[in-house]
Amino acid sequence: AQSVTQLGSHVSVSEGALVLLRCNYSSSVPPYLFWYVQYPNQGLQLLLKYTSAATLVKGINGFEAEFKKSETSFHLTKPSAHMSDAAEYFCAVSGNTGKLIFGQGTTLQVKP
Amino acid sequence: DVKVTQSSRYLVKRTGEKVFLECVQDMDHENMFWYRQDPGLGLRLIYFSYDVKMKEKGDIPEGYSVSREKKERFSLILESASTNQTSMYLCASSLYTQGNEKLFFGSGTQLSVL
Repeated sequence: AQSVTQLGSHVSVSEGALVLLRCNYSSSVPPYLFWYVQYPNQGLQLLLKYTSAATLVKGINGFEAEFKKSETSFHLTKPSAHMSDAAEYFCAVSGNTGKLIFGQGTTLQVKP
Repeated sequence: DVKVTQSSRYLVKRTGEKVFLECVQDMDHENMFWYRQDPGLGLRLIYFSYDVKMKEKGDIPEGYSVSREKKERFSLILESASTNQTSMYLCASSLYTQGNEKLFFGSGTQLSVL
């Protein structure tokens, strides 16, 4: 069985500050891990994914995430927040079937 | 560019009505998915399909059914809509049945059942 827990349903940062969104997973098989972003009134789009090639994964818009097996974590970071980063972020895990299990989501607010 | 189209952005229905949500993808993808999105619960998988006429239950299939008669189209059916099915419904597709495949999402249908 697989599951994802996102710590913090709302995160607020100032523009230019570090963004850290936390994700922990549980998986009985080697996982594939994803971060998706949802802007208002839009569907989800892929930010980045981990597929075992490298533990530090770089995505679009300056985001990156590090896979830490010992901590079962896949936290999302960005060194400097921009107003346009305000959105809802979802962490997700899958095994070999292509079926994606999502976390509860974290809403990122960026203050000027 | 890749496109997943959901037929309605907003839908209002009455309790007991039969509701059809339509999703079309133009990418010749094998896999299609229906999720519902609720605040604080994230996305939960209702049904998915690996091929035409094939379907598998997700985590919350109760009260729903699906149809996939053509590869590009995946329909979600609420046989008798209830107020607890008021939600945002998201359709998605992916190319192959592999765990590392990216999902492409539609913009969603906000369904209100009164």
